[in-house]
Amino acid sequence: EIVLTQSPATLSLSPGERATLSCRASQSVSSYLAWYQQKPGQAPRLLIYDASNRATGIPARFSGSGSGTDFTLTISSLEPEDFAVYYCQQRNNWPPTFGQGTRLEIK
Amino acid sequence: EVQVLESGGGLVQPGGSLRLSCAASGFTFSTYAMSWVRQAPGKGLEWVSAIGGSGAATYYLDSVKGRFTISRDNSKNMLYLQMNSLRAEDTAVYYCARDGGSITVVILYHWGQGTLVTVSS
Repeated sequence: EIVLTQSPATLSLSPGERATLSCRASQSVSSYLAWYQQKPGQAPRLLIYDASNRATGIPARFSGSGSGTDFTLTISSLEPEDFAVYYCQQRNNWPPTFGQGTRLEIK
Repeated sequence: EVQVLESGGGLVQPGGSLRLSCAASGFTFSTYAMSWVRQAPGKGLEWVSAIGGSGAATYYLDSVKGRFTISRDNSKNMLYLQMNSLRAEDTAVYYCARDGGSITVVILYHWGQGTLVTVSS
C-alpha cells in the first residue's frame, strides 16, 4: 500500500497570502494524484486530478504540480473560503490511498 | 445537477449487518463507476470499495474484503454497500462518490453528504 505523507499538518496563513501544501508518496505514483478540499461538516470536493488538472468550476488560484513521489498544491492568494482541510489521494496502485490531511487555518 | 444521496446508516452492534444505499440523479448512472469512501470521527479519508459502471468489476479494501459487498441497480440509479460482521473500527461517515467514467479510476468528482455508521454495543 502506498503511503502519502502531507506536510505541514497545520498551516496558519492570512487571507491574500500564498499557500503551499506538500504531499509525498512512499513510492512513485506517476502523475496519478488528486487533491480534495473538505470543510467542517461537508463532503470533500475534488480540486485537482492527475497532479495538475483543475476540476470543473475550481478557481484558477488553485494549482497542482509534481510527479513521481513529490507533489504540491498551491493556492496563489487565499480567500476566506479556502480555509479548510486538504487531502491528497493516489490512484496509481491499489488500493487508492489518501494522505492524512493538511489543515489550513486563518492566522 | 449531479446529486448522490446516501442513506441507511445507524447504530449497530459488533458482528451485526447494515446496508447502505446511495440514490443518484442528474447523470446517466450506468455510465459511471462509483466508490464508497469512509471517514472515522475526527480522522482522514479511507477508500473502501468501488464498482464499474456495468457492475461487473468490483474492488475492495483488504480490511473489508469478505465482509462488505458493493453492488448497483442501474435500472433504479442505486448504489449499495452491504456490510456484514461489523467491527468497532468500521465506525465512520460513509460517502458515496461518482468517478470520472464507466471504468473505475477513482477520481472522485461528486460526493454525497455521507451517512454515519456507528458500531457499538
